[in-house]
Amino acid sequence: DTEVTQTPKHLVMGMTNKKSLKCEQHMGHRAMYWYKQKAKKPPELMFVYSYEKLSINESVPSRFSPECPNSSLLNLHLHALQPEDSALYLCASSVREAQETQYFGPGTRLLVL
Amino acid sequence: AQSVTQLDSQVPVFEEAPVELRCNYSSSVSVYLFWYVQYPNQGLQLLLKYLSGSTLVKGINGFEAEFNKSQTSFHLRKPSVHISDTAEYFCAVSENTGGGNKLTFGTGTQLKVEL
Repeated sequence: DTEVTQTPKHLVMGMTNKKSLKCEQHMGHRAMYWYKQKAKKPPELMFVYSYEKLSINESVPSRFSPECPNSSLLNLHLHALQPEDSALYLCASSVREAQETQYFGPGTRLLVL
Repeated sequence: AQSVTQLDSQVPVFEEAPVELRCNYSSSVSVYLFWYVQYPNQGLQLLLKYLSGSTLVKGINGFEAEFNKSQTSFHLRKPSVHISDTAEYFCAVSENTGGGNKLTFGTGTQLKVEL
């Protein structure tokens, strides 16, 4: 089973709202990732968690706040977003944070009004 | 720093014809290479990967790719495509920089299979 689940599938929010994206995997993977993908573009890495600790932050604005409460869960808290933050947000996981295969979830499509 | 180049942004092909999607990479260290497919409004699905060993890698849905170190290429091939293969295909390289595993994607190739 190589399934990564993400909720919600779609999200519409205003610029003053606070919302959260959720990602879950039960494969025993110890590395989890958030990517942002704009239309017709490749995914761009945002954050990497390794053993529940943040190991890579690709200079993402503070209005995006990741959280890894346990080895199976990864959240992305959103606050005061801008319309240009509208995108598909993808979560992925891998066995470890070495050169391992990353398995992706279906994504959350976010629209900021 | 690693980079991935997918020269073809779009590849139109007739059903049952063969197809090759090109991918070239550059990296200063040993790399792992991947092909992912993304169907409309979906996430990325792993097609195949090269980690080590045989340079010819077979994946799902009849796809295969060949790792060529001298040419720094990892082209994706399928001998006979189907309408359902219409999707966006991303080549990616994983490099362990010591600061973690970073997956760098190419810009993608839109494969459009026509009847």
